[in-house]
Formats: sequence, structure tokens, C-alpha cells
Amino acid sequence: ETGVTQTPRHLVMGMTNKKSLKCEQHLGHNAMYWYKQSAKKPLELMFVYSLEERVENNSVPSRFSPECPNSSHLFLHLHTLQPEDSALYLCASSRGTGGLLAKNIQYFGAGTRLSVL
Amino acid sequence: TQLLEQSPQFLSIQEGENLTVYCNSSSVFSSLQWYRQEPGEGPVLLVTVVTGGEVKKLKRLTFQFGDARKDSSLHITAAQPGDTGLYLCAGVVYGWGKLQFGAGTQVVVTP
Repeated sequence: ETGVTQTPRHLVMGMTNKKSLKCEQHLGHNAMYWYKQSAKKPLELMFVYSLEERVENNSVPSRFSPECPNSSHLFLHLHTLQPEDSALYLCASSRGTGGLLAKNIQYFGAGTRLSVL
Repeated sequence: TQLLEQSPQFLSIQEGENLTVYCNSSSVFSSLQWYRQEPGEGPVLLVTVVTGGEVKKLKRLTFQFGDARKDSSLHITAAQPGDTGLYLCAGVVYGWGKLQFGAGTQVVVTP
């Protein structure tokens, strides 16, 4: 148990569906992240929120829409996805970002396995 | 983008054998982390190395950070089936704290 909980664990959706992924952290952290993990590729950082403000958006298509209502919760809203969006979506949290964070230890959830048909 | 190359991509060994996984970059990182990810789970941090030349041991796992802080290695002695998993290295980018991940090494240890 890492203190970061993601739901659902598995999701199958059609290309015209709208769904949301949820992440909750119980670690008192101030920063939260969304990553995409595809087979044999490095984890791709999608979005970063620090103190509920988005500080990074790595050229992610607009069909992915993040929301961070407070420092403990992070959502990823999905709509009109493509089959190539099928992947494991990981949420992570850390104490903060930026500055002289030499370590920036991130704690990951178990992920949502997404399949787009 | 500061790329991290991991090698090998896949490693299958028998229980009791030793193995080494490498993580290389042309860029300097403020620190480097190693994670292990098991099927159906997210990555779990094993160790962080910060100082160039640093060596850390975690039971049968030995981690080394290169003198120039551009590369790292993970050595497992007398591997056990419980060591099976995807091993990921991640460099912490200076000034930002962002993690740059390698693609991972899948290790399979058979009894």
C-alpha cells in the first residue's frame, strides 16, 4: 500500500465514450502527477499539479483533461479517445516540485489499465 | 529531453545467478532513483543515489551511481523468483525535480 489509490483498476471504453480516472493520495503531499505507461517505452509525464495548480502539460492531446480540486485528489477526464491511447495510466504524488528538490521521491498508485476499442 | 537508456531490455536467469542492469545517459542528473514494478502494480521506489560514485546496498541488491552522475547500475546477487519484475531507473532533472524515466528492464528469475 503506497498511500496512492487509483480507480478504476481496469477500464474498457469505446472511442465515443466519456469516462474519468480518479486518484487519491493520503500522504499529505502537495504535488500530483499523471503518467502514461506503454509497453517498452519510458513513462511519459502528462500533467503535473502543484498546490492544485497545473504546472506542466507535456503537449498532451485535448481529449485528456485533468482536474485537481484539492491537493489530495486528481482526476483525468477522457473523451473521444483513440485506440493508441490504450495504456496503463499511473498517478503519483510527491511532497513538492521544483526548487532544489534533489530527490523528489514520487509514490505511485497501482494504475488504471485502459483499453480503447 | 534528457534520455535514459536501460540495458538489457529483458533478462531471464535461473535462481541463484547474478545479474546487472545498466542505466546510461549523456546528461547529468541531480540524483537517480531505481524502482521495481510488478504486474498489476505501480512502480515502487527501491533506492535513491545522490552523490557521484555512491554505492548503496539493499540486502542482495547493490546500486551504484557513476562518478559523473550520468549513469547507474543495479546488481542483484543470488537472484530469487521474488526479484522478478520490471526495473526502472529515473533521473531527477536539475532545478525542476522532474523524473526522466528509462524504458525499463524486465527481469524474470525462474526456480
